[in-house]
Parts: sequence; C-alpha cells; structure tokens
Amino acid sequence: GIQVEQSPPDLILQEGANSTLRCNFSDSVNNLQWFHQNPWGQLINLFYIPSGTKQNGRLSATTVATERYSLLYISSSQTTDSGVYFCAVGAGANNLFFGTGTRLTVIP
Amino acid sequence: DAGVTQSPTHLIKTRGQHVTLRCSPISGHKSVSWYQQVLGQGPQFIFQYYEKEERGRGNFPDRFSARQFPNYSSELNVNALLLGDSALYLCASSLSGQETQYFGPGTRLLVL
Repeated sequence: GIQVEQSPPDLILQEGANSTLRCNFSDSVNNLQWFHQNPWGQLINLFYIPSGTKQNGRLSATTVATERYSLLYISSSQTTDSGVYFCAVGAGANNLFFGTGTRLTVIP
Repeated sequence: DAGVTQSPTHLIKTRGQHVTLRCSPISGHKSVSWYQQVLGQGPQFIFQYYEKEERGRGNFPDRFSARQFPNYSSELNVNALLLGDSALYLCASSLSGQETQYFGPGTRLLVL
C-alpha cells in the first residue's frame, strides 16, 4: 500500500500562533483528504484536495501531486483546534491510507 | 440532514465472543467503508461496499466479515474476538467510494 508520513508528530502552540503540517506520500494519488479527529474520536473532514489549493476560514491546504506532498496551514490557532490531524490518500482503489497523524495542542 | 450514524457507541466483550457493529450512511450515499483504529495509530481499512457488493478488503483475517443491505446500511461482524481487536471502529460513507468520505462517530470496542 501507499506509505503516508506526517510531520511533526506532535506540536504545541500558543493560542494565536500559526502552524504548518506536512504530509508526504509514496505514490501517485487521486484522492487526498485532511481530517481533524476530536478528543471523542470523531473524524471531521477538513479538505478533499488531491491537487491544488483550497481555503476555508483560518485553514488552508495545498497539495503538490507531482512532488507527492500536501501541506495544511492553520492560522490564528484556537484551543478548539487541538486534536489529531490526519492526512489520508487513495490511488484508484477504494480505500484510504492514513498517516500516523500530527497531535496539536493549543494552549491559552 | 443526518450524518453517518453508528451503533452501539461503546461495547465490552470477552475473548472468543462475536460482535456486530452497525452503520447507516448519509442519505443518497451508496458506498460504505469500515476502518479500525487502535490507540495511537491512524485508521486502517477493513472493507468497502458499494451497491451491496464488496469492492475492497484490507489485510484483516477471515474473522472479520461485513455486508451491505438494500437500504445501503452496513454491518461489520467479528468472530472469535481477540484482545487485539480492541479498537475504535469507524464507518465512512461516500457517493460511490472514490471521492470525499464522511466518517461516523465510531464504535469503541473493548475485548477483555
């Protein structure tokens, strides 16, 4: 299967700070999603972004498919942004391969 | 519109028992996928169903099985439970299986 590496594994931010999360993948993909998993385990869709750039409020994401990486930007972080961020990719088959996640803690 | 729903939310079983987990997709979605997430790891793919047919299977033993019903809801069955089956089981729905997947809240299974 496709290998997905996320960095950093852990990140601690002061409220109001900005951050960049990275996702590298080992093969060409036609599906890439970013998720936020809250403390109760719910995976919340942030972006469907197999290529290009998207923005949604304080969050934005860029995928450079030819170089096999994606970036998630969080600006003006809030305590409610805390949780684990997952990148998941798919390549023609019907399943998503998940990375091991970035655990973000935002302190007030 | 309701999102993906799963039942039960929590479950405690003992080794050797059998368990059935249920999932209802978002209205209009015809594909359901199942994932297992053990503590500290990302979810791992178990099955995908589309129009009641199995379209993909991950690297899980035959103790794991699933099916999809005519109303597109799905069941995941696990036989002969092992301690290592303790995990969060997530269901995801999508229109046809190859686009944005939406996850349910999960079922937390503890095997003692």
